Amino acid sequence: DSGVTQTPKHLITATGQRVTLRCSPRSGDLSVYWYQQSLDQGLQFLIQYYNGEERAKGNILERFSAQQFPDLHSELNLSSLELGDSALYFCASTRGGSGANVLTFGAGSRLTVL
Amino acid sequence: DQQVKQNSPSLSVQEGRISILNCDYTNSMFDYFLWYKKYPAEGPTFLISISSIKDKNEDGRFTVFLNKSAKHLSLHIVPSQPGDSAVYFCAASAGGSNYKLTFGKGTLLTVNP
Repeated sequence: DSGVTQTPKHLITATGQRVTLRCSPRSGDLSVYWYQQSLDQGLQFLIQYYNGEERAKGNILERFSAQQFPDLHSELNLSSLELGDSALYFCASTRGGSGANVLTFGAGSRLTVL
Repeated sequence: DQQVKQNSPSLSVQEGRISILNCDYTNSMFDYFLWYKKYPAEGPTFLISISSIKDKNEDGRFTVFLNKSAKHLSLHIVPSQPGDSAVYFCAASAGGSNYKLTFGKGTLLTVNP
């Protein structure tokens, strides 16, 4: 157990729908990162939050949004879902907001869009 | 544009032998490199890292080598064990900014007993 908790583990939904993925970071970690792993792809950085504020943005679609709450958990909202959004979504956390810290990953949420 | 490339999707080795996993990168701004290991149904876990000021870092059975001129790094596992069977991801970052780790597609290592 890495200490990073992601729910749900699996999610099946239809095109056009909206889903919310949730992440609780490791105790004491202030930064949360979201990554997407599509089939046969490496992990693609989506977005980072540090202590409630957006810190960095990667290749995140406009249909996707995220936030980090005062208790430091984070949610990734995916809307108007398309077949191509089917992927593993990983959350990771670190203590700080920058520097060469090691990311601790959760087990991921597998999203299937039918 | 894939900035971190792992050209071997899979690798199979015998238990006790050396496993060598390779990674190439194109972005000369990368200055910190990491290897992550991933088992099925789990998230990636950190294995070993190396800063661009070094050319080698060792941790037990795992050694990472960095060749900056060739923009190439490799992970050596000696001796390989069946429990090492997993997907290995190479990752890189620039300017010490871990939030933009750029990952390769991974190499599936199978260690046969």
